[in-house]
Amino acid sequence: EIVLTQSPGTLSLSPGERATLSCRASQTVSSSSLAWYQRQPGQAPRLLIYGASSRATGIPDRFSGSGSGTDFTLTISRLEPEDFAVYYCQQYGISPLTFGGGTKVEIK
Amino acid sequence: EVQLLESGGGLVQPGGSLRLSCAASGFTFSRYVINWVRQAPGKGLEWVSGISGGGSTYYADSVKGRFTISRDISKNTVYLQMNNLRAEDAAVYYCAASERTFWYFDLWGRGTLVTVSS
Repeated sequence: EIVLTQSPGTLSLSPGERATLSCRASQTVSSSSLAWYQRQPGQAPRLLIYGASSRATGIPDRFSGSGSGTDFTLTISRLEPEDFAVYYCQQYGISPLTFGGGTKVEIK
Repeated sequence: EVQLLESGGGLVQPGGSLRLSCAASGFTFSRYVINWVRQAPGKGLEWVSGISGGGSTYYADSVKGRFTISRDISKNTVYLQMNNLRAEDAAVYYCAASERTFWYFDLWGRGTLVTVSS
């Protein structure tokens, strides 16, 4: 199975700053089949990005995804208060589906 | 409102059984694959099982033979019957919808907590 490693584990930033989250795969993720999710405490996870770089419906353009092969990045251009949450990547190119361990973006 | 709502979590002894429910509303239930994804304390997310619009079922190796996914289309509800529960099955169980099997998840519920302990 593909193991996804997210880094850093925790990112401490201030509102308005730029956040860069990394997701590295143990083998090539075919067809850029990588998604990103946001989970806020007590809420359902929310799909942000699919296909490595396509924003899901209703997702603000401050969220962007990039990468291919084994290295993927989620960038939040300017952090809003509601963006402080935990973010997960997921690959769906090869069964079984697998997720990264998550990156927590916290207020500095 | 488009949503998934899980229920049925609780405390169960090792070796026991529990049935989780996922009620869908606001969308055409049978056109989606409904999945269960779990997160054990301190661990990452793990896909557990899915049932397609055509009724095909899929399981992670870790639960194959112990868990059974099913659905009642008339009630827009998917079930996860969990038997012979182990300590490592303790987790928050999320219901999640995808447009295809082994795909990304467009919609998630808030989860239901399963605790396995004597």
